[in-house]
Amino acid sequence: EAQVTQNPRYLITVTGKKLTVTCSQNMNHEYMSWYRQDPGLGLRQIYYSMNVEVTDKGDVPEGYKVSRKEKRNFPLILESPSPNQTSLYFCASTQRTGQPQHFGDGTRLSIL
Amino acid sequence: GQQVMQIPQYQHVQEGEDFTTYCNSSTTLSNIQWYKQRPGGHPVFLIQLVKSGEVKKQKRLTFQFGEAKKNSSLHITATQTTDVGTYFCAGRYSGAGSYQLTFGKGTKLSVIP
Repeated sequence: EAQVTQNPRYLITVTGKKLTVTCSQNMNHEYMSWYRQDPGLGLRQIYYSMNVEVTDKGDVPEGYKVSRKEKRNFPLILESPSPNQTSLYFCASTQRTGQPQHFGDGTRLSIL
Repeated sequence: GQQVMQIPQYQHVQEGEDFTTYCNSSTTLSNIQWYKQRPGGHPVFLIQLVKSGEVKKQKRLTFQFGEAKKNSSLHITATQTTDVGTYFCAGRYSGAGSYQLTFGKGTKLSVIP
């Protein structure tokens, strides 16, 4: 089954404790993205990757890092999480620009 | 950066009534996609519009792309409770960073049975 898998689905943690949200897709897609969704603000892109070792900033990259060492994986790293990063996070992938994006089920992060 | 404005933010309708959400960009879009997110779920792709003036239909849903490729709309005829969710448009601009999709803030649809 074609899917985008995110882990964990839920996480409550404290300010400053490094965390990683993993994202994996099994569709051999080249493009992957991370979004955060906040009430009233919709979906905002954090980072995206056009291929292995190729990443670029989206609209709200501050406080986040990403890596793309393998085509299928695109982890989101919060080196020093802060409460304003409490949000619902979605990973998405697509074969190429102009194609539908496939979203993971989301990760709800709470930073205390 | 580029912005896609989407209105209304919320819409409550009686079951059987029609519903429309609108998206507008100040600059020309390369294409526009529409997604639906059910409560507690993730966005799911509905359709993509590419051509100026394009109109596409999916059962009770009608999608339009403006002649200037700056605006788009989604119209649902005779809403049903299964239509409940948030509808997002997502525009793509040509040129540098053209992989980026800019999402509207969404329209949350509630259907009263």
